[in-house]
Amino acid sequence: AQSVTQLGSHVSVSEGALVLLRCNYSSSVPPYLFWYVQYPNQGLQLLLKYTSAATLVKGINGFEAEFKKSETSFHLTKPSAHMSDAAEYFCAVSDSGYSTLTFGKGTMLLVSP
Amino acid sequence: DTAVSQTPKYLVTQMGNDKSIKCEQNLGHDTMYWYKQDSKKFLKIMFSYNNKELIINETVPNRFSPKSPDKAHLNLHINSLELGDSAVYFCASSQTLAEPYNEQFFGPGTRLTVL
Repeated sequence: AQSVTQLGSHVSVSEGALVLLRCNYSSSVPPYLFWYVQYPNQGLQLLLKYTSAATLVKGINGFEAEFKKSETSFHLTKPSAHMSDAAEYFCAVSDSGYSTLTFGKGTMLLVSP
Repeated sequence: DTAVSQTPKYLVTQMGNDKSIKCEQNLGHDTMYWYKQDSKKFLKIMFSYNNKELIINETVPNRFSPKSPDKAHLNLHINSLELGDSAVYFCASSQTLAEPYNEQFFGPGTRLTVL
């Protein structure tokens, strides 16, 4: 069975600081990995995804993530946080058989001025 | 145009009632899903449909009955509502079941409160 672990339910950064949100996965097959963002009272929006084409994946809003098979990780980073980045971030792995997503528990990113 | 829409956005009801949530996607996708997000923001798959056929039912009580009249619509009917059903329900769609690397597009969610 696939699973995703997100370390840290809350991460606080100052505006302009580096953002690092951690995600580790468990999968018996090469995984498809996703980062989604949820702004307050909204649905989820895809930030980026890993589909084995390249280990460093660039997404929207300046975010990127690196797939590291040896560490079973897919951490999300952004060089400089903006206030508008404050949201809940979900890492997810896709079931190759049924295309359903298994989500981590989410990390709330708080950005202070 | 909204890609995945859900109605209603908010639903407040009494225990024991029956309610429905509707979902429509205008993306031409074959596969649709229902996810439940609990009070701790944890998201879990409930159902997936492909071309109107049920593919996944993730140990959801049979009080929950999804229905897909056509591949653009996936509705969720809930009988005998319980306090524990209070959550945000998200509908999503993706191009096809056979491509699990595709993005899933999510609706805005329906916040269900059972009193």
